[in-house]
Amino acid sequence: QSALTQPPSASGSPGQSVTISCTGTSSDVGGYNYVSWYQQHPGKAPKLIIYEVSKRPSGVPDRFSGSKSGNTASLTVSGLQAEDEADYYCSSYAGSNNYVFGTGTKVTVL
Amino acid sequence: QLQLQESGPGLVKPSETLSLTCTVSGGSISSSSYYWGWIRQPPGKGLEWIGSIYYSGSAYYTPSLKSRVTISVDTSKNQFSLKLSSVTAADTAVYYCARDDRVHNWNVFEYWGQGTLVTVSS
Repeated sequence: QSALTQPPSASGSPGQSVTISCTGTSSDVGGYNYVSWYQQHPGKAPKLIIYEVSKRPSGVPDRFSGSKSGNTASLTVSGLQAEDEADYYCSSYAGSNNYVFGTGTKVTVL
Repeated sequence: QLQLQESGPGLVKPSETLSLTCTVSGGSISSSSYYWGWIRQPPGKGLEWIGSIYYSGSAYYTPSLKSRVTISVDTSKNQFSLKLSSVTAADTAVYYCARDDRVHNWNVFEYWGQGTLVTVSS
């Protein structure tokens, strides 16, 4: 299984929105509604921010939202804040008890 | 509050076996609701799921590493461990342990350890 494809970078000004794509195949993203998103600040462990395509764990602001269409999932961060500057990784169930992560996107708040 | 902590050598020689342990506190590794997983991240690169294990010993591994990986569990110590054999420089990475919620929620890693850097070098 290959890593899911994400754009290397994305950026936006404070208050704006940024959307990150995550492209896989029908064997992973397109085949299951088990896409998760993780936020990772430098030197820190990843933090779960979205699971099952669009669900937010307790404590995650509703500025973070997820969606999926076909083989591509998306994460939107609305009302960008300085603390949203981080790396973001998508992940998908890939069948046969396997998971696959995305290549990662660095979000910069201008 | 659940906490996970990785431990093990930070330097491993090429061709040898990398061994790490994850100690779980604030919860029981014998819970029927969770698996326990290992995920790694080479410096400056993305995340890679390595595998996950249930308290019973049932384990799943990513296909690309399956021939070299063994994950085991010690319920008496509330720990689970990773062994990766025949390592090369490409195995240099930060290794994270995490709780895998697959029993009820596929693809959910909500609790993570802080990570430990393992360098493969002679």
